[in-house]
Formats: sequence, C-alpha cells, structure tokens
Amino acid sequence: EAGVTQFPSHSVIEKGQTVTLRCDPISGHDNLYWYRRVMGKEIKFLLHFVKESKQDESGMPNNRFLAERTGGTYSTLKVQPAELEDSGVYFCASSQGIRSERWGQETQYFGPGTRLLVL
Amino acid sequence: GQQVMQIPQYQHVQEGEDFTTYCNSSTTLSNIQWYKQRPGGHPVFLIQLVKSGEVKKQKRLTFQFGEAKKNSSLHITATQTTDVGTYFCAGRTSGTYKYIFGTGTRLKVLA
Repeated sequence: EAGVTQFPSHSVIEKGQTVTLRCDPISGHDNLYWYRRVMGKEIKFLLHFVKESKQDESGMPNNRFLAERTGGTYSTLKVQPAELEDSGVYFCASSQGIRSERWGQETQYFGPGTRLLVL
Repeated sequence: GQQVMQIPQYQHVQEGEDFTTYCNSSTTLSNIQWYKQRPGGHPVFLIQLVKSGEVKKQKRLTFQFGEAKKNSSLHITATQTTDVGTYFCAGRTSGTYKYIFGTGTRLKVLA
C-alpha cells in the first residue's frame, strides 16, 4: 500500500512569490491534515479535511494560505504571497474515517514533508 | 488556547542508559498519541493511549497516560543508537479531530 506522498520535496522561493504544495493521502482515507514545523519548534496544526470539506481550519496563520481538497482525494496548500516566516517543513497526514466510539482516535500517517524556504 | 508542553527539549544519553520524556497538557485530553521522527524524516506513529492511567509497552518502550488524562510519559529502557530521533506527543480534546503536538524531545544516544 502506498503511503502519503507530498510534492515537491523542497521549494526555495523569493518573498512575494506563490508556492503550491500538494499532498496525496493514502487511498480511501477520509481525513487529511496539514501541519507545519518551523525550525526546531513544535508541529503546528494548520487544518483538517474530512473528504472535501474543511472540518477545522483554526490553525491557518492568515488569509495568505489557501487549502483545497477537490473531490476528496489529493489536497493542495497554496501560499500567496509568501513571507519569510512561512519557511518550514509542511507535513500532510491522513487517517481513515471511523464512525464509532473510536472517532478521532485514528492513526495518522504522515507524508515526507515539503521543505519550504522563503528568501 | 490548549497547550501541550514536553520536557526535556534535548537529552543526550550513553547507549544502555534509560530515557524518559514527559508531556503535559493544559486541558484534559480525550486521547494522546506518540510519534517518533528520525533526523531528516517524518513523524511515525508509535502508539495511542485512551484510558485514564493506561500503560502500554512496546519492547523497550513504556507509555503511560496520567490518571487525570492531562499528562503522559514515554520511557525507553536501555537505549540503543537506533532510538535516536525526536519524540513527539500529540493530544486531542473531546469533540475535535485536532491534535496539538508537544514541542518534542530530541534524543541523542552516544555509543
């Protein structure tokens, strides 16, 4: 079974440019999360999709960030325009949707991350 | 807002020594997950704790969930060089899918 994949693995852009990150979750996983880790700090939650719907986007830093998951399969995270503080590693994770007493307890499978550097 | 603190931030041990990392949440958790991230890698799920006072073991790793479900610990017995990496806890409160990650403990094992 293929794991979570992310593209690109690295991106170096200049301040003010636009970057789009892509995440392909494990096939059949309803839940898709975006996280960001800034150098040496904690992994911060950005948002959560259930299928194509945004369930929780409380972690999105500001309106320069736009996430989509059209058709409930892959997701994109666009940063426009990028700022220096947007640099970090962006992780995507997916998990199955279980409608039971185990709601919310699904294992999250992380992708390899996209390392973004804004100069 | 909810915060999850983790200590220590760094730990260097000699191979064979034990290691413990502690996780404390500002709010009561529904469940807590532990992840390991190798240098240059991505977080990999280790285990999940759900019940108050729960203890789970995976070979040399022992995980505990506090009685009040606000703290947790990971203990490694007789560390090996393969244990090197950053260990994260991630807590979830009831009614949300959102996981708040701890700051992580970076473990170095000296051979």
